[in-house]
Amino acid sequence: ETGVTQSPTHLIKTRGQQVTLRCSSQSGHNTVSWYQQALGQGPQFIFQYYREEENGRGNFPPRFSGLQFPNYSSELNVNALELDDSALYLCASSLGAGPNLETQYFGPGTRLLVL
Amino acid sequence: AQKITQTQPGMFVQEKEAVTLDCTYDTSDPSYGLFWYKQPSSGEMIFLIYQGSYDQQNATEGRYSLNFQKARKSANLVISASQLGDSAMYFCAMRDFSGYSTLTFGKGTMLLVSP
Repeated sequence: ETGVTQSPTHLIKTRGQQVTLRCSSQSGHNTVSWYQQALGQGPQFIFQYYREEENGRGNFPPRFSGLQFPNYSSELNVNALELDDSALYLCASSLGAGPNLETQYFGPGTRLLVL
Repeated sequence: AQKITQTQPGMFVQEKEAVTLDCTYDTSDPSYGLFWYKQPSSGEMIFLIYQGSYDQQNATEGRYSLNFQKARKSANLVISASQLGDSAMYFCAMRDFSGYSTLTFGKGTMLLVSP
């Protein structure tokens, strides 16, 4: 069984740039959730994709956007990067959605530094 | 709104001893799930244990057990026979069974296991 993978592992960008982070879900999973974890904090929910549709969104501005592909892999895009976007970005895959959402399994994360 | 509180920023334990990590939660939903995740310095969130709000028995997974006290809204993690490899951040998280069923995390507790 293949676990959740994320790329790249580390990234350095400057303010105003755009970034794309990628996530491959665990085999058999059809839901991907993205979280932002600032230093010293717990992860914060960004959004969730279920069967290629956005299924929920946390308190993040529209410059955070995403996609889910037919193979259920996913991308997180962030436009107009700000210094506060520096964080660990975690992707989690699971099966189902809503009340049927099963346990979420996380990838190793992408560490983004915005200078 | 859901809230998870972890009041212990850090805990120290000697190898082979048991340790309890505290977690209290707040929710108005009658159905919810409680999770514990381990996050080593590498960043990956590793699922440890799950407790459903209607589960009659406390969850156990190997050396991990969840001391679930519904009336007190607490879900403490007990690690028995600590090992050096248990040194990591530990996060308590909750999901509801309505809406997007995303995870709400606490701020975490850093556990250090000494020889």
